[in-house]
Amino acid sequence: QQPVQSPQAVILREGEDAVINCSSSKALYSVHWYRQKHGEAPVFLMILLKGGEQKGHEKISASFNEKKQQSSLYLTASQLSYSGTYFCGTGTYNQGGKLIFGQGTELSVKP
Amino acid sequence: DTEVTQTPKHLVMGMTNKKSLKCEQHMGHRAMYWYKQKAKKPPELMFVYSYEKLSINESVPSRFSPECPNSSLLNLHLHALQPEDSALYLCASSVYRGQDQPQHFGDGTRLSIL
Repeated sequence: QQPVQSPQAVILREGEDAVINCSSSKALYSVHWYRQKHGEAPVFLMILLKGGEQKGHEKISASFNEKKQQSSLYLTASQLSYSGTYFCGTGTYNQGGKLIFGQGTELSVKP
Repeated sequence: DTEVTQTPKHLVMGMTNKKSLKCEQHMGHRAMYWYKQKAKKPPELMFVYSYEKLSINESVPSRFSPECPNSSLLNLHLHALQPEDSALYLCASSVYRGQDQPQHFGDGTRLSIL
């Protein structure tokens, strides 16, 4: 079952913050976050595991709510380079290596 | 530049042709993946190899035939494809096959079927 991402698209000005959500109807073991720029490969951002800590670095972080089977990606003080499509990929138990990706959130950061 | 290299970058083929896509990684990863991605859609898993053995086949039509000759190389053999098979084909690798492993993607091969 495909996870649901929201919003589908968001436009920001440089320096603004954004939150992208990913929800699943299945019990999740992991949530992966990727960013894909047009014509390029998806780039791994971070992974959150059941029972793990919130991940992230200075301006991009993520959380995983195990009770709700939801993950959120937080982008603070956005930069032009943050533009792209963000995908969450969910992993369930006993499906080693198989990720199901959400439909994507298109993020545009304007000057 | 990504550490997973895919060739060719673009491929145009007729429905009766046979061609192959190639993927190479030298990170020592033991799991490799093929995904199909249509425009403005997420990647969809096709195949997973673990230690050169096919672990997952997502009910992919037999006109797609994967091969993993060694731990660094993954091929996708194409034969008698249909126009709806036109898409970006992405290869990925991870240290091992597991839900806790980040997948590293190549830039993909953009395939067009005439």
